[in-house]
Amino acid sequence: QQQVKQSPQSLIVQKGGISIINCAYENTAFDYFPWYQQFPGKGPALLIAIRPDVSEKKEGRFTISFNKSAKQFSLHIMDSQPGDSATYFCAASIGRGSTLGRLYFGRGTQLTVWP
Amino acid sequence: GAGVSQSPSNKVTEKGKDVELRCDPISGHTALYWYRQSLGQGLEFLIYFQGNSAPDKSGLPSDRFSAERTGGSVSTLTIQRTQQEDSAVYLCASSLVRISNQPQHFGDGTRLSIL
Repeated sequence: QQQVKQSPQSLIVQKGGISIINCAYENTAFDYFPWYQQFPGKGPALLIAIRPDVSEKKEGRFTISFNKSAKQFSLHIMDSQPGDSATYFCAASIGRGSTLGRLYFGRGTQLTVWP
Repeated sequence: GAGVSQSPSNKVTEKGKDVELRCDPISGHTALYWYRQSLGQGLEFLIYFQGNSAPDKSGLPSDRFSAERTGGSVSTLTIQRTQQEDSAVYLCASSLVRISNQPQHFGDGTRLSIL
């Protein structure tokens, strides 16, 4: 059972455009929502993260929007660049109990930015 | 080194053989996680260590999988009697402490291929 659902599976954007990746969850015990970026042959690298008491977080060209009532969150990449071409994973973790800290990942979105 | 180090980077072995995968976390990080990344299942949690103990082993797929951590540092993931479905990238991550909003830093993984 996939605890975090991610869409789309793949995304093609022109340079300078906005990339939007969406995730949804059911477990209300999740209290931390990171996004990871992964290049081929490399491990995932933390990009940006948000707590559910905040509706938006921005770091440079990357913004997370969080909708607690809808149990959805999304990553927006503004002014997308060819160097942003990678696989992006949303994730969630639980703040208490035996599974504290374990990351539950979405299936990933392969982003291609055309020059 | 500055990051999480994993070895070997690639491992090819015959079905039925045992394999050992090594993870060297970031110095001072007390929490260590193993994940597996495969095409069919995405990124999935295997086991977590706090210091040398493993309070959460619930992600290990079968009793052929085991892991240990010594000296609160290096961890070894062992797969006995490997099967073709064990083929995947095995990722290790570490974090300073075990709380949900503590960033997990990933190594580049060991790509395991079972012939």
